[in-house]
Amino acid sequence: DIQMTQSPSTLSASVGDRVTITCRASQSTNSRLAWYQQKPGKAPKLLIYKASSLESGVPSRFSGSGSGTEFTLTISSLQPDDFATYYCQQYYSYWTFGQGTKVEIK
Amino acid sequence: EVQLVESGGGLVQPGGSLRLSCVVSGFTFSSYEMNWVRQAPGKGLEWVSYISSGGNTIYYAGSVKGRFTISRDNAKNSLYLQMNSLRAEDTAVYYCARTHSSLYFEYWGQGSLVIVSS
Repeated sequence: DIQMTQSPSTLSASVGDRVTITCRASQSTNSRLAWYQQKPGKAPKLLIYKASSLESGVPSRFSGSGSGTEFTLTISSLQPDDFATYYCQQYYSYWTFGQGTKVEIK
Repeated sequence: EVQLVESGGGLVQPGGSLRLSCVVSGFTFSSYEMNWVRQAPGKGLEWVSYISSGGNTIYYAGSVKGRFTISRDNAKNSLYLQMNSLRAEDTAVYYCARTHSSLYFEYWGQGSLVIVSS
């Protein structure tokens, strides 16, 4: 099984900050990597797929990068609506999620 | 508009059974693979099961294999998860998700809460 490890687990930031979340896979995922945003009591929402492709309707302040086993999600200028938990997911071999990164207000 | 609506959750005793349903609308259900994903209270996301568009290819996570059964009825636009021999650790919100070409999960339902407790 491919294990996914996110860091940090919690991130405190202010509106306007540039935020970066890292996701590492236990083996190469061939860029088959997605990012989701989840708010309390709500279903996850797809943000990024294929490591760097922005899902339709997702603001351009979100971007993804990386390859092989290391990936990042960047929010260029954090907005009030962005305080949430973010998950990476590999879909190279079945499906595995990272443990999540909670972005909270500093 | 794509919609996925889960139902069937509730309180069940350990060892009991429950059947979740996911009714979809807004797209041609028979053309899409589907998955179930769960989230224990305060925890992260865990993939549970996958079914191909025609229902002939099925996968399960090791934690539920042999106890859960995924199925679908394309005529009724419905996805199911039969859960048997339930354990306390199966307590979670269960989401159905539409899958893009067996890859990422592009649409999710609102979830159905299953509580396994005596």
